[in-house]
Amino acid sequence: AQKVTQAQTEISVVEKEDVTLDCVYETRDTTYYLFWYKQPPSGELVFLIRRNSFDEQNEISGRYSWNFQKSTSSFNFTITASQVVDSAVYFCALSENDYKLSFGAGTTVTVRA
Amino acid sequence: KAGVTQTPRYLIKTRGQQVTLSCSPISGHRSVSWYQQTPGQGLQFLFEYFSETQRNKGNFPGRFSGRQFSNSRSEMNVSTLELGDSALYLCASSLGEYPHYGYTFGSGTRLTVV
Repeated sequence: AQKVTQAQTEISVVEKEDVTLDCVYETRDTTYYLFWYKQPPSGELVFLIRRNSFDEQNEISGRYSWNFQKSTSSFNFTITASQVVDSAVYFCALSENDYKLSFGAGTTVTVRA
Repeated sequence: KAGVTQTPRYLIKTRGQQVTLSCSPISGHRSVSWYQQTPGQGLQFLFEYFSETQRNKGNFPGRFSGRQFSNSRSEMNVSTLELGDSALYLCASSLGEYPHYGYTFGSGTRLTVV
């Protein structure tokens, strides 16, 4: 069964628009970690944010913000005032107590100038 | 600070051959993981090593194997290559023993099997 679901396959926006990426996860563990990674065309997965299951405080870091809701098992990610350099594939990932990351299918974000 | 280094970056092999990919983690990182990325299956976990011990293995056939050396460098090997093994293979390293330390990925090795 898919543990991480990213329902949005592709999102296209015009520069300066906000982009919100949805992520729904499934786990029976009480302790787990959620991540967002960005994969530009170069291929490297770039770490963006991490959140543990005990901390539901939502935060803003520069143009990035995230909304973690355990009640709905969602971990959504927002890019504010998008830029062309934000164009990439974004992955949501779950880490349980098994030393691995379970990734969603990814959402391709295209920001047009 | 050097990141995670994967070699080679690109590789072309013939079906039936074997291949070895290398990963040098960030200095001080003791955990190394490997992932396979394909357009059809996405990112899939291969295996994870910590202090030379494999702690978890993904759902891949026995043709896929790996190991970690005492200096934390890791290699993965794929024997009897099949066309379906064509993929981007990503290595990740982590500072600590537990996932909350996070993972840093390398740029990957793109393997093409012809």
